[in-house]
Amino acid sequence: EDQVTQSPEALRLQEGESSSLNCSYTVSGLRGLFWYRQDPGKGPEFLFTLYSAGEEKEKERLKATLTKKESFLHITAPKPEDSATYLCAVRAGVLSGKLIFGQGTTLQVKP
Amino acid sequence: NAGVTQTPKFRVLKTGQSMTLLCAQDMNHEYMYWYRQDPGMGLRLIHYSVGEGTTAKGEVPDGYNVSRLKKQNFLLGLESAAPSQTSVYFCASGRLAGGPAGELFFGEGSRLTVL
Repeated sequence: EDQVTQSPEALRLQEGESSSLNCSYTVSGLRGLFWYRQDPGKGPEFLFTLYSAGEEKEKERLKATLTKKESFLHITAPKPEDSATYLCAVRAGVLSGKLIFGQGTTLQVKP
Repeated sequence: NAGVTQTPKFRVLKTGQSMTLLCAQDMNHEYMYWYRQDPGMGLRLIHYSVGEGTTAKGEVPDGYNVSRLKKQNFLLGLESAAPSQTSVYFCASGRLAGGPAGELFFGEGSRLTVL
């Protein structure tokens, strides 16, 4: 059964304190791993797509990396506006269209 | 641009009542999804569609039905609501090709309470 697990569930950082979020997955035939950001009361917003082990993507203070079993979202020198819930998702199978999400990591960055 | 629009945004039902959530997208996307989000459980896929006239079951389909009669609309129905269906429901749409795979566009959510 396809499964996505994120850790930690919650993370509190001081402004400028770098850290990483983890997303481990079990899926038959990975066809992409995706990161999203969700602000309270809003729908998730797309951040990155990763396809193969070793791939990296960057956007401002965020960098996503992928191995064969997990992905990391690295946050460098975070600011309070980076506070949000970060979700990862996987797609299994080219034509299935099915995206399975993890439970998310809620990040709070204090000034 | 409207993007993905969900109606209604809030609804309170009594156990056993029925209702339909409507999702409309104006981006000509092939894929559409219904997810539910509960505290600590992330997004769980209810049903999805890869094109007009097609639907498929997700992780938690029991108690829900869907229809995609038109490409731009995806309806989620609850025939006999139960308190366990109290949740926030999100609709999303995505392209088959022409953009980052896995880039879904989400609506603002529909908060449903079943008493």
